[in-house]
Amino acid sequence: AQSVAQPEDQVNVAEGNPLTVKCTYSVSGNPYLFWYVQYPNRGLQFLLKYITGDNLVKGSYGFEAEFNKSQTSFHLKKPSALVSDSALYFCAVRSLNQGGKLIFGQGTELSVKP
Amino acid sequence: DVKVTQSSRYLVKRTGEKVFLECVQDMDHENMFWYRQDPGLGLRLIYFSYDVKMKEKGDIPEGYSVSREKKERFSLILESASTNQTSMYLCASSLGGTSGGYTFGSGTRLTVV
Repeated sequence: AQSVAQPEDQVNVAEGNPLTVKCTYSVSGNPYLFWYVQYPNRGLQFLLKYITGDNLVKGSYGFEAEFNKSQTSFHLKKPSALVSDSALYFCAVRSLNQGGKLIFGQGTELSVKP
Repeated sequence: DVKVTQSSRYLVKRTGEKVFLECVQDMDHENMFWYRQDPGLGLRLIYFSYDVKMKEKGDIPEGYSVSREKKERFSLILESASTNQTSMYLCASSLGGTSGGYTFGSGTRLTVV
């Protein structure tokens, strides 16, 4: 079965420090992986995706993610966190069936303090 | 920009009412999806559709139905609302194929009292 896990419910970071939001996946075959961000009372916004190619993927708002096949991970990173990065982050993997549905992790709440 | 519009941001309905949640996208996407979001559970797929008049059950279809009479519109129907259907409902659309991501609407927060 395909699945995604975000092991941390919450991540706390000081502004200006690097941040990492963790994601691991379990799929058969090559994964299509995504990160989304959700601000309070809003829908999800696309940040970045990995389909194939370079393991380091760059996305919106200065975020990047590193695909690691041996560790089945796709961690989201940013070199210098901003208070405005505080939000709920979701990792997702594209299913090979069911209309290519996205299977989401449970979400990680990122809090960046000044 | 692709827009996915959900007709209501907040709804309050009574137990037993029939509830319609509407979603419209303007980019000719083939696929449309309804998810519900609950704290600690992430997003769970209720129904999806990959073509007009086509619908497929997701992971938690019980108590819900859908309608897709036109390509741009995908409606979620709660036949008889119950308090355990209080949740945030998110609509999304995507192109056909598997490499693209979703575009989400802003969500409808439904409270059933």
